[in-house]
Amino acid sequence: AQSVSQHNHHVILSEAASLELGCNYSYGGTVNLFWYVQYPGQHLQLLLKYFSGDPLVKGIKGFEAEFIKSKFSFNLRKPSVQWSDTAEYFCAAYHNAGNMLTFGGGTRLMVKP
Amino acid sequence: GAGVSQSPSNKVTEKGKDVELRCDPISGHTALYWYRQSLGQGLEFLIYFQGNSAPDKSGLPSDRFSAERTGGSVSTLTIQRTQQEDSAVYLCASSPGTGGYGYTFGSGTRLTVV
Repeated sequence: AQSVSQHNHHVILSEAASLELGCNYSYGGTVNLFWYVQYPGQHLQLLLKYFSGDPLVKGIKGFEAEFIKSKFSFNLRKPSVQWSDTAEYFCAAYHNAGNMLTFGGGTRLMVKP
Repeated sequence: GAGVSQSPSNKVTEKGKDVELRCDPISGHTALYWYRQSLGQGLEFLIYFQGNSAPDKSGLPSDRFSAERTGGSVSTLTIQRTQQEDSAVYLCASSPGTGGYGYTFGSGTRLTVV
């Protein structure tokens, strides 16, 4: 069965620090990859997605992610975080042998002002 | 509608009672999903509807859980004889096709079983 792993469960950063959240998936075939964000008290929102083409994907609010097929990874990055980036971040993967997204366990990010 | 609508937003129920959670997906979205998010946990898949096909119920944790989707639109998740471990946020999402397009999520229903 496909799985998605997020190894960082909690991350604490100061404002202006750089961010990288890890995501690895297990499926070896064609996958679509996603990062979702859940701000405190809000619903899950799509940050960015990768289907094909350029492995460096840019999303909203200055976030980007890089698909590295050889490492089965899709890490999320942001050069300089803000306090407003405090949220929980979920990586998800879809492959067409299944019908739904498989989500990682989430990473809680706290940015200290 | 403009987004995925879930009701109620909060539900407190006594152990042993039945509850119904409602989801109204984005108009035209053929796929509808239910997930459960427990405190400190990720998203646990429950059930998936695609058009008029038979639903994928492989994620339902017990036979106390059931769901239906009427007319290819609104869905209701029913939990019978609720237990304290059913306490969680129940999320509904819809997608224009398969999950490969990504989902639009509702705000969820926070269920507390006391």
